Amino acid sequence: DAGVIQSPRHEVTEMGQEVTLRCKPISGHDYLFWYRQTMMRGLELLIYFNNNVPIDDSGMPEDRFSAKMPNASFSTLKIQPSEPRDSAVYFCATTTQGEFTNYGYTFGSGTRLTVV
Amino acid sequence: KNEVEQSPQNLTAQEGEFITINCSYSVGISALHWLQQHPGGGIVSLFMLSSGKKKHGRLIATINIQEKHSSLHITASHPRDSAVYICAVRSRYGNKLVFGAGTILRVKS
Repeated sequence: DAGVIQSPRHEVTEMGQEVTLRCKPISGHDYLFWYRQTMMRGLELLIYFNNNVPIDDSGMPEDRFSAKMPNASFSTLKIQPSEPRDSAVYFCATTTQGEFTNYGYTFGSGTRLTVV
Repeated sequence: KNEVEQSPQNLTAQEGEFITINCSYSVGISALHWLQQHPGGGIVSLFMLSSGKKKHGRLIATINIQEKHSSLHITASHPRDSAVYICAVRSRYGNKLVFGAGTILRVKS
């Protein structure tokens, strides 16, 4: 398995533009988490899905952020409009209930977003 | 006060030294995770603990549920162990993790 695949690896965009981050989970993983990492706040959970259904989106900072999981093999995190304070590394992580019980998640390589 | 506190924040060690990183938490948990993040940014799950001790190679993780405390030990440290080590706790309800701020470890040769 290729692991959790995130794209793009790096994104530089201008303030006000729409940004879409993508994640392909490991086949069979029914939990998908979106995390954001900044120097100031560390890792923070934004939203997680189970069986393609959003379970907890309390970490989504504001209405500019939205996430979807249209099917078991794809999720997107969209920021519209983007702001410089959205600059961070965004990680996608996936797991199954059984794997979570044993060791946790498998993380993607992250998308480094810079909003100028 | 953060729900998950790690210490130290930064740690520099000489190759071969025994290293301990500590994690304290203030909420009831069902499990505790130790993660490793290398300079390139990738994050790897090292351990998941709900009681006792786990060992993998030179890494040992322990947890004391009553004292709400966990430690990650690295024996015979090596420069390739240089990374950020992150403690995260899973609440009793649901699958959310709350993360500590991380410990930056540098092992010098």
